[in-house]
Amino acid sequence: KAGVTQTPRYLIKTRGQQVTLSCSPISGHRSVSWYQQTPGQGLQFLFEYFSETQRNKGNFPGRFSGRQFSNSRSEMNVSTLELGDSALYLCASSLAVAGPTDTQYFGPGTRLTVL
Amino acid sequence: AQSVSQHNHHVILSEAASLELGCNYSYGGTVNLFWYVQYPGQHLQLLLKYFSGDPLVKGIKGFEAEFIKSKFSFNLRKPSVQWSDTAEYFCAVKSGGSYIPTFGRGTSLIVHP
Repeated sequence: KAGVTQTPRYLIKTRGQQVTLSCSPISGHRSVSWYQQTPGQGLQFLFEYFSETQRNKGNFPGRFSGRQFSNSRSEMNVSTLELGDSALYLCASSLAVAGPTDTQYFGPGTRLTVL
Repeated sequence: AQSVSQHNHHVILSEAASLELGCNYSYGGTVNLFWYVQYPGQHLQLLLKYFSGDPLVKGIKGFEAEFIKSKFSFNLRKPSVQWSDTAEYFCAVKSGGSYIPTFGRGTSLIVHP
């Protein structure tokens, strides 16, 4: 079974631009979560989508948004990029049928650099 | 809100040394606990998890962790590390019925050959 895939793997943007990242979950997984990983902050939760609906949201500004499609694939958008948005963005998928005992499986991440 | 502390930010060991990485959480109710590993240039992988039952859980690659409820801890151990264990290790906790884990900030482990 294929793992979680993320595209693109690397992105370089300039301040003020916007960016869209894509995530394809493991087949059969219905929940997709997004995290921002930085050296100083570790993994910070952005949001989680389940059945095309945002079910949970972290403490990030409205410039960060996402969506999920009917095939469970998800996209994340960041508008008006700032230097501080440079990070590794991770996507994780889970079956989302057992709630707290679900295990998340992570993709390789998209490395975003904002210049 | 749940918080997860990994007190060791950087650990440097020689091969064959024993490893213990600390993880403490704040929530006092039912928890589900995870350790993930991120090898250089690779994605986060699940090492082991604890949901219920025997508090000593064994994971992949010889790792184990012990859940001590009274200490709010879930420390990761390995009796003899290898150079290939060089990686970043993350503890994660789900609590109170939450679907979303809270991650610690990670511990960077360097093993010298």
